[in-house]
Amino acid sequence: GENVEQHPSTLSVQEGDSAVIKCTYSDSASNYFPWYKQELGKRPQLIIDIRSNVGEKKDQRIAVTLNKTAKHFSLHITETQPEDSAVYFCAANTGGFKTIFGAGTRLFVKA
Amino acid sequence: GAGVSQSPRYKVTKRGQDVALRCDPISGHVSLYWYRQALGQGPEFLTYFNYEAQQDKSGLPNDRFSAERPEGSISTLTIQRTEQRDSAMYRCASIRSEKLFFGSGTQLSVL
Repeated sequence: GENVEQHPSTLSVQEGDSAVIKCTYSDSASNYFPWYKQELGKRPQLIIDIRSNVGEKKDQRIAVTLNKTAKHFSLHITETQPEDSAVYFCAANTGGFKTIFGAGTRLFVKA
Repeated sequence: GAGVSQSPRYKVTKRGQDVALRCDPISGHVSLYWYRQALGQGPEFLTYFNYEAQQDKSGLPNDRFSAERPEGSISTLTIQRTEQRDSAMYRCASIRSEKLFFGSGTQLSVL
């Protein structure tokens, strides 16, 4: 079955700097890669996603890149703000059947 | 409804007791998923339904865990003879176009 590895487990950046979180997946059949943000005590919420026919997608300060050959994808957050502090989860989905999550990255943005 | 609703929000039980966790998905969402999330970890897939049919239960840890969705809407996850290791946040999600919408979860504590 699918396995998703995520790193780093913790990331601390200064406000205004960029943050990058990286994930790898094992199942070459995976074709959909969402990213979820989970604030303390709240439910995970989708922030951006990318499909396997696209190499990059951007939405304001966040962007995702996908390298199908290497089976890895990344989340990039630019101009970080304190409200970006949260746990971020990458995930992989094999054709809509089940979404497998990484272990999460705890991002701290220092003001 | 406006979102995925789960009840109870918190459940404290004694070891050996049975518990039933309820999920009411977003109206019109065909697929419903159950995840378990340990503190500091990513959501762990348990099982999912399309309408009333359980499509995949490969993530259920053992035969003490079961789930049903008899009318294709509300779902119940049942844990029999609970053990301390079952303590976790249990999250339900409904899905549309591969995007998961999570409920607030049931925090289960087994004493």
